[in-house]
Amino acid sequence: GAGVSQSPRYKVAKRGQDVALRCDPISGHVSLFWYQQALGQGPEFLTYFQNEAQLDKSGLPSDRFFAERPEGSVSTLKIQRTQQEDSAVYLCASSLLESTDTQYFGPGTRLTVL
Amino acid sequence: QQQVKQSPQSLIVQKGGISIINCAYENTAFDYFPWYQQFPGKGPALLIAIRPDVSEKKEGRFTISFNKSAKQFSLHIMDSQPGDSATYFCAAIDGSARQLTFGSGTQLTVLP
Repeated sequence: GAGVSQSPRYKVAKRGQDVALRCDPISGHVSLFWYQQALGQGPEFLTYFQNEAQLDKSGLPSDRFFAERPEGSVSTLKIQRTQQEDSAVYLCASSLLESTDTQYFGPGTRLTVL
Repeated sequence: QQQVKQSPQSLIVQKGGISIINCAYENTAFDYFPWYQQFPGKGPALLIAIRPDVSEKKEGRFTISFNKSAKQFSLHIMDSQPGDSATYFCAAIDGSARQLTFGSGTQLTVLP
């Protein structure tokens, strides 16, 4: 595709529900990142994949957060038993190579937990 | 610990004026410093970036000034236009870690 796409764009969940957020990176991009952006703040790193390998998950806030990229392209961020503090925009970014610094961001998924 | 500090939080300038946003960092392992522009409802878009081996980089109306000894860098937007109204984030990458560390953002408003 022309850019990074994410779906859904908006998600409303009741507290305690599980959610799954999808990211389609730019075709051929090796590296994929997930970030969490709270209202009025800068994005904060969650996790990083190089192809299908999850090389860094140090930013995941709890064990309720899980990410996967099984075939090295599409990635899913799953949040179990959602809490109100999980409400944020979840951004996905990709870069061409593992050594490439330029990251291209998708439009994000706005998650609201009621 | 906030590794990249950004100021001001908001900025209002007149059309044609110069917008200046400042950032300071702590981690000396950072080796790539991009600036991102974000419009409401959109993801951040790369604007311009610099490495610490140069003190200044200019692309059109956008200039990054970099002071390695002071661990500071800034974005200058010349001839600011209403279409530049957006939130700007400075960021940094530690070459070994790969992920971006962002500042807290500056909401720029350019008055017509």
